[in-house]
Amino acid sequence: GAVVSQHPSRVICKSGTSVKIECRSLDFQATTMFWYRQFPKQSLMLMATSNEGSKATYEQGVEKDKFLINHASLTLSTLTVTSAHPEDSSFYICSAIRANYGYTFGSGTRLTVV
Amino acid sequence: AQSVTQLDSQVPVFEEAPVELRCNYSSSVSVYLFWYVQYPNQGLQLLLKYLSGSTLVESINGFEAEFNKSQTSFHLRKPSVHISDTAEYFCAVMGSGSEKLVFGKGTKLTVNP
Repeated sequence: GAVVSQHPSRVICKSGTSVKIECRSLDFQATTMFWYRQFPKQSLMLMATSNEGSKATYEQGVEKDKFLINHASLTLSTLTVTSAHPEDSSFYICSAIRANYGYTFGSGTRLTVV
Repeated sequence: AQSVTQLDSQVPVFEEAPVELRCNYSSSVSVYLFWYVQYPNQGLQLLLKYLSGSTLVESINGFEAEFNKSQTSFHLRKPSVHISDTAEYFCAVMGSGSEKLVFGKGTKLTVNP
């Protein structure tokens, strides 16, 4: 199979703090992972492409210093929302590509900043 | 660049009725097309995909979609829906040579008893 595990599923944090979200490929190696953000009743917007061993590629309009992405191994990518504010509250989803399986998505993280 | 238009944001239907969720795309290159389903507070699950070959693709739970190049469409259909089909459905496109998926805004399918 091609399983992607995302943790935590829900997190509530205080404004000004940082939150780290993990995305792991459990049964395959993922050289490329993707991070999406989903607003209520809207589509998924690609935030960045995470490449193992190199810097992430951010989409236009996404703040690199705000959303730190680290892809230090072939099975783990992390997204850190730094100095979070209420407007960062959203549903964040990661995905990875596996040969012959295509895209596999994590179960998502509901971030609420209070 | 690619884009996807899902014309219907919400589709309410009765159980056992047929349903069609519309999807149109635009692209300057050849594309791969996907339908994903999302249940509340969950990630996306692949429903079906068109990569090449037969333009009619089917899923294991009775959904089908037909790639129509001339109309740049990839509508999703099911002849008889169940309550359990209630979910958000996203159409997505990937341009040939790209790894990026571009999603439509989604269609919320609600199946009523």
